[in-house]
Amino acid sequence: EIVMTQTPLSLSVTPGQPASISCKSSQSLLHSDGKTYLYWYLQKPGQSPQLLIYELSNRFSGVPDRFSGSGSGTDFTLKISRVEAEDVGVYYCMQSMQFPPLTFGGGTKLEIK
Amino acid sequence: QVQLQESGPGLVKPSGTLSLTCVVSGGSISSSNWWSWVRQPPGKGLEWIGEIYHTGSTNYNPSLKSPVTISVDKSKNQFSLTLSSVTAADTAVYYCARRAPTVLLDYWGQGTLVTVSS
Repeated sequence: EIVMTQTPLSLSVTPGQPASISCKSSQSLLHSDGKTYLYWYLQKPGQSPQLLIYELSNRFSGVPDRFSGSGSGTDFTLKISRVEAEDVGVYYCMQSMQFPPLTFGGGTKLEIK
Repeated sequence: QVQLQESGPGLVKPSGTLSLTCVVSGGSISSSNWWSWVRQPPGKGLEWIGEIYHTGSTNYNPSLKSPVTISVDKSKNQFSLTLSSVTAADTAVYYCARRAPTVLLDYWGQGTLVTVSS
């Protein structure tokens, strides 16, 4: 199974400042079809996870454009250009390159300063 | 708007069987989607358990220690999860979710906490 590793475990960001979360996979998530099967989720306090980014860099419906996904192979990044108070929660990366199973990173907790 | 709602006992005894149901509304369970179960132990991360298609085809996480069965009831537009021989390690919030083509897990239920304790 592909292991997903996120860093940092937590970060505290001032509103309006950027934030960056790293995710590394134990194997490449680049498929022969040219797609990268990497996803990002946000779990706000007391809520279910919600999809932010699919297939590396595509924002899901309704996701603000301050969220962006990038990377290649085994190294990936979620960036928030200007953090807002509503962005607090735990961010998870997930892979579907080698499936089953779907596997998630351990999570990165974003707090507001 | 698709909605999913989990239901089931909140307390299960060790070595017992955990059974949960997820009712799908706002869409047909017979659509071109798979229906998944994901769990989250208290204060920990997400673990994918398995999924089912309306035809009855299933995929499971081979890493799970407790035997798992996922079934579907198209007449009731719902699917179910059964974990056997549970231990305290199976204590978690259990979520049902839709796995759609391309976007994957796009709709989630609110989650239900199941505690394994005597």
